[in-house]
Amino acid sequence: QVQLVQSGAEVKKPGASVKVSCKASDYTFTSYGVTWVRQAPGQGLEWMGWSSTYNGNTDYAQKFQGRVTMTTDTPTSTAYMELRSLRSDDTAVYWCVRSAGGDYDSSGYHGDLDLWGRGTLVTVSS
Amino acid sequence: DIVMTQSPLSLPVTPGEPASISCRSSQSLLHSNGYNYLDWYLQKPGQSPQLLIYLGSNRASGVPDRFSGSGSGTDFTLKISRVEAEDVGVYYCMQSQQGRPASFGPGTKVDIK
Repeated sequence: QVQLVQSGAEVKKPGASVKVSCKASDYTFTSYGVTWVRQAPGQGLEWMGWSSTYNGNTDYAQKFQGRVTMTTDTPTSTAYMELRSLRSDDTAVYWCVRSAGGDYDSSGYHGDLDLWGRGTLVTVSS
Repeated sequence: DIVMTQSPLSLPVTPGEPASISCRSSQSLLHSNGYNYLDWYLQKPGQSPQLLIYLGSNRASGVPDRFSGSGSGTDFTLKISRVEAEDVGVYYCMQSQQGRPASFGPGTKVDIK
């Protein structure tokens, strides 16, 4: 079954780091990018960044620059998103999303998000 | 960065009636390759978002034909020809014309009157 399976919920203290994993099944992992999107409680969707499963290129939203690292492991078809220096306002559901065959140029990746994981709740609380 | 706006933000609907959501961008979403990089997503209650429409007007696989997307440049519209009860949720438009960063609209909550 074509799917993205994410790691389980996490509870972290302020200042800590979290690493969310996302394992792809039943499709060619390197044919699609991976985008990470989050949603704080009661809020809308927020684009965090994109990573290429082909060459490791990444693009991050400015607000996460320096705090986030998105990586992929091709042999295991797994993508990772690590967020450091966690704050209470990082409490959110984090999704990995398959980025359908689009284009990449000087302004970043252009394309839709056609397969979503089930989400990982990260709670930051002292 | 491109800012996305949607209207209305809340839309009570009657089953069987049509519905329409507008999405506007602060810059044109028309790429030099001729594509409008504007997608529509539906987040049903308690679920992950799902892709409805890509490149402004193309229905994603498995999406009922009562959903349609139109528009170009900075103005886009999602239409539901006849709303069904299962269509309730929050609808988001998203642009990736400027992929660094891509951005979502604030969402339009659709519920049954």
